[in-house]
Amino acid sequence: DTGVSQDPRHKITKRGQNVTFRCDPISEHNRLYWYRQTLGQGPEFLTYFQNEAQLEKSRLLSDRFSAERPKGSFSTLEIQRTEQGDSAMYLCASSLLDEQFFGPGTRLTVL
Amino acid sequence: SQQGEEDPQALSIQEGENATMNCSYKTSINNLQWYRQNSGRGLVHLILIRSNEREKHSGRLRVTLDTSKKSSSLLITASRAADTASYFCASYLDSNYQLIWGAGTKLIIKP
Repeated sequence: DTGVSQDPRHKITKRGQNVTFRCDPISEHNRLYWYRQTLGQGPEFLTYFQNEAQLEKSRLLSDRFSAERPKGSFSTLEIQRTEQGDSAMYLCASSLLDEQFFGPGTRLTVL
Repeated sequence: SQQGEEDPQALSIQEGENATMNCSYKTSINNLQWYRQNSGRGLVHLILIRSNEREKHSGRLRVTLDTSKKSSSLLITASRAADTASYFCASYLDSNYQLIWGAGTKLIIKP
């Protein structure tokens, strides 16, 4: 399967713990995006990479969130000191042009 | 923030009937995209319509765009059980890379 993959698919953590998610985009895609989605809502943009450069970051993203794409290939999203409000589906997408291809997501539950 | 708002929020029809969903957006756009999300396949891109296009077809899908009214519609003809999903419109905020989504229309196809 050469689509976008995300790991892990599910994560349960206790409040205050740090979590890290990984996204492997489609190999030739230079654009990579992270979104957060809660039940009944559309995805909410978090951040965007073009190659290894993080070009955009949502103003809603708190300092507890950080993302990297060190070699312009896979990306990681870290959430520090998790809060119950961080519980959501975290989606990664990649693209060459405007059409985005999504991974299956990582479902985070913060207890 | 939400760029697009879908209408209706939920739609239930009989298999074989046509389904129409509407999307309104707030700011000027270069293009507008429709995506489908179900539990089996996640978020999948359906169709992209550019601001200089008024109508576009793809299989059983027909999308229209009215930039004067800042609205778009998605028509699914001859609906099938497999069309049961949530449908989202999304557009880039101005010329940057933030893809902004509506809350979606939940479509249920009854057998």
